[in-house]
Amino acid sequence: QSVLTQPPSVSAAPGQRVTISCSGSSSDIAIYYVSWYQHLPGTVPKLLIYENDKRPSGIPDRFSASKSGTSATLDITGLQTGDEADYYCGTWDGGLNWVFGGGTKVTVL
Amino acid sequence: QVQLQESGPGLVEPSETLSLTCTVSGYSIKTSFWTWIRQPPGKGLEWIGCVSDSGKTNLNPSLKSRITLSLDTSKNQFSLEMSSVTAADTAVYYCARGLNWFDPWGQGTLVTVSS
Repeated sequence: QSVLTQPPSVSAAPGQRVTISCSGSSSDIAIYYVSWYQHLPGTVPKLLIYENDKRPSGIPDRFSASKSGTSATLDITGLQTGDEADYYCGTWDGGLNWVFGGGTKVTVL
Repeated sequence: QVQLQESGPGLVEPSETLSLTCTVSGYSIKTSFWTWIRQPPGKGLEWIGCVSDSGKTNLNPSLKSRITLSLDTSKNQFSLEMSSVTAADTAVYYCARGLNWFDPWGQGTLVTVSS
């Protein structure tokens, strides 16, 4: 069982918006930066967001994220079929152990 | 362009030691932190540990007793050794650059623990 809790799945129609939550605690999300990863089927996980809300170059602004207290959120707007993937949040737990959320599968209806 | 590539046996017998190497190109491992992550079949990502440019390590507490991470700066490589493996260690193993976020990742290598 992951320290960080994500919904197992979310879905929406093309063009719509999905929100993925990542719930943690006072020893992880509350005090450390959160990053998000996209894992498309058959490919390598890719960094989407770092330091809570920053996008690496090449990541579309359809992907945005925020953090508040012990939770973080990833938003995907203008959903596309190519966004179907597993999404993971991650952060430090107590500064000694990095933890990932259990992952959220995004389905485009 | 930074690239990482894992290498090592795809099949390891139970109770033996799993050994993987990550070769880095386009970037010196003498800077940054270097990380190992795995994904068992059908499951999520699990952080294994990281090694700094000075060789200091930070390891997953649940795996710590079985893991050794090291750097070979002469070859621009870093390595993972995991002892006493069981079927539960069957996974795709990824190497990646970073400490507080991971980018880029290697292509991943499937390691199966079986006799």
